[in-house]
This record gives sequence, C-alpha cells and structure tokens, in this order.
Amino acid sequence: QSILTQPLSASGTPGQRVLISCSGDSSNIGHYPVNWYQQLPGSAPKLLMYGNSQRHSGVPDRFSGSKSGTSASLAISGLRSEDEADYYCAVWDDTLNGWGFGGGTKLTVL
Amino acid sequence: QVQLQESGPGLVKPSETLSLTCIVSGGSISNYYWSWIRQSAGKGLEWIGRIYTNGATNNNPSLKSRVTMSVDKSKNQFSLKLRSVTAADTGVYYCARSGYFYDSTDYFYVFDYWGRGKLVTVSS
Repeated sequence: QSILTQPLSASGTPGQRVLISCSGDSSNIGHYPVNWYQQLPGSAPKLLMYGNSQRHSGVPDRFSGSKSGTSASLAISGLRSEDEADYYCAVWDDTLNGWGFGGGTKLTVL
Repeated sequence: QVQLQESGPGLVKPSETLSLTCIVSGGSISNYYWSWIRQSAGKGLEWIGRIYTNGATNNNPSLKSRVTMSVDKSKNQFSLKLRSVTAADTGVYYCARSGYFYDSTDYFYVFDYWGRGKLVTVSS
C-alpha cells in the first residue's frame, strides 16, 4: 500500500504534453520536497527530478515538476517514444519516519 | 562514478532469512545514508530501510522487526537481512545511495545512485 497516490497509467502521442499527478498528505508532500524517478523497462529507477521542480543533470527541459499543498505533478512536453517508462514520485514521510513512494504511473507513447 | 552492486542468493526458502550485500565502488561509503528498496513483480517501489555509516538505521514499519542492516566501512559495503520470509517477499531488491543537492538555502535528499537490482525468489 503506497502512501502516495498516482494514476496507474497515462498516455499521449508524440509531441503531446502529459501530466502525472502524485497525491499525499500533510505528513509527506505537505511538508517535504518531492522527487521523481524514471524506470525504463528492465532497468533500475533513476533520478529525474528533485526538490519538486529541479531537473537532475542531463534531464531535458521537456520535463518539469511542481508542487501545491499536498500534491505534486510531473509534466512531460514534446512527448517522445523514449519517454515510455514507469514514473514514481517519492517523498520523506513523518509517519513512516522514512521514504515513501507512489504506486507508479506507466506512461505509454501511442 | 559511484557504482553499487547487489549480491546474494537468488532463491530463499519460506521462513528462512534473505541476505543481501551491496558493494560500493568508485566512492567512499562514509558520510552517506544507504537504503534498500524492493519491487515485487509488476508492482511499485517499497523502501525497506536505510543505514548511516555510523550504524544508525531507519526501517519501514510495515516490515516490523524482520529487518536487520549492517555496514562494513573497511569493505565499502552494507548488508540486509530479512527474516522469516514468505512468497510476498519475492521481488527485485535494489540498494541505493541517499545523496543530496544544496542550493544555498536547502538540502534536497535523493536516491542518486542505484544498483542494478537482485531478483530474490522465495520458494521451497
């Protein structure tokens, strides 16, 4: 049972913009910055975004992140086939006294 | 470039103990938190726990007291033991480093380096 809620799936055609949401509460997103990880098929997750909206080194500016209250979002514009992956939000949680992940969103590029 | 590599048995019998080690190369293990994260087949990521290089630990309460972690600074590695495993513990186990970024006002903690993952199956 994930402490953060993400949609199971998202999709778009090449060039489109997609938005992936991540919902939490006051013990996690409401208090701490959100990170996003991208997991390509058959690979380990890798850091994509940190501090709600900072792109990790090498991440194209097509990726952007935001946070408002107890929710966060990852936006991908100019969708490309290589963006097809699972995306996870992650944040520190006071109740857990540890890291919590969202359930992951599978992005399909149609 | 920091690299992490998980090692250990890929098959564990129910009720026994799962033991994994993560070897860190390309950098020192000191002064960082090191985590274990797992992923069941077709499922999401679950943080198991973390250890600092002084031995301090945090564990996911969902795993109750089944988890033990240790660190060996002389070998630049850290380890996980998960007791009394069941089929529900089957999955890919990742080790990861908790690094951080600093932007002059805040620290942002992230999992910046990951191992490739070790598939562990619990079955008799």
